[in-house]
Amino acid sequence: DAGVIQSPRHEVTEMGQEVTLRCKPISGHDYLFWYRQTMMRGLELLIYFNNNVPIDDSGMPEDRFSAKMPNASFSTLKIQPSEPRDSAVYFCASSPPAGRLSSYNEQFFGPGTRLTVL
Amino acid sequence: KNQVEQSPQSLIILEGKNCTLQCNYTVSPFSNLRWYKQDTGRGPVSLTIMTFSENTKSNGRYTATLDADTKQSSLHITASQLSDSASYICVVRDNNAGNMLTFGGGTRLMVKP
Repeated sequence: DAGVIQSPRHEVTEMGQEVTLRCKPISGHDYLFWYRQTMMRGLELLIYFNNNVPIDDSGMPEDRFSAKMPNASFSTLKIQPSEPRDSAVYFCASSPPAGRLSSYNEQFFGPGTRLTVL
Repeated sequence: KNQVEQSPQSLIILEGKNCTLQCNYTVSPFSNLRWYKQDTGRGPVSLTIMTFSENTKSNGRYTATLDADTKQSSLHITASQLSDSASYICVVRDNNAGNMLTFGGGTRLMVKP
């Protein structure tokens, strides 16, 4: 298995531009998470999906951020318009279906997208 | 509010030495605690998972301990190697929070030759 795939790995853009980050979860996983990591704040959960449905988006910083999961194998995180304070590493993670031992479910992280907004 | 605090924030040790990283949490009700290793430029990878009833768990040179009464965990690294240089993140699951986790700020470990 290739693991969680994210693209692009690096993105440099100018303030005001639209940015789209992409994620392909591990096949068979039905939970998908988007995180943001900065030196100051560490890892922060932005939003997570279960079976393609957004379950909790309370971590999405503001209306400039939106996330979609049109099918089980693809998700996007969009920032429009981008601002310099959005510069961070964005991680996508997935985990398998909840079961009897669902509390043990490990989240498998992708390699991240390093976003720089100038 | 659920919180996970890690110490130290950063640590430098010589290759071959041992070290211990600390994690204190206020997450309640507690479900489980994981230690993740994050290499530079990569996503976190799980090292160990501990539940309420477990006091210690090993994964090679990594040994995690858990004291659920004091809400403390530690990660001990034995005979450190250069490849141990990474950030180590303590992550706690709230038994009522479904798949949501509370992350510590991490300890950045550097192993020098």
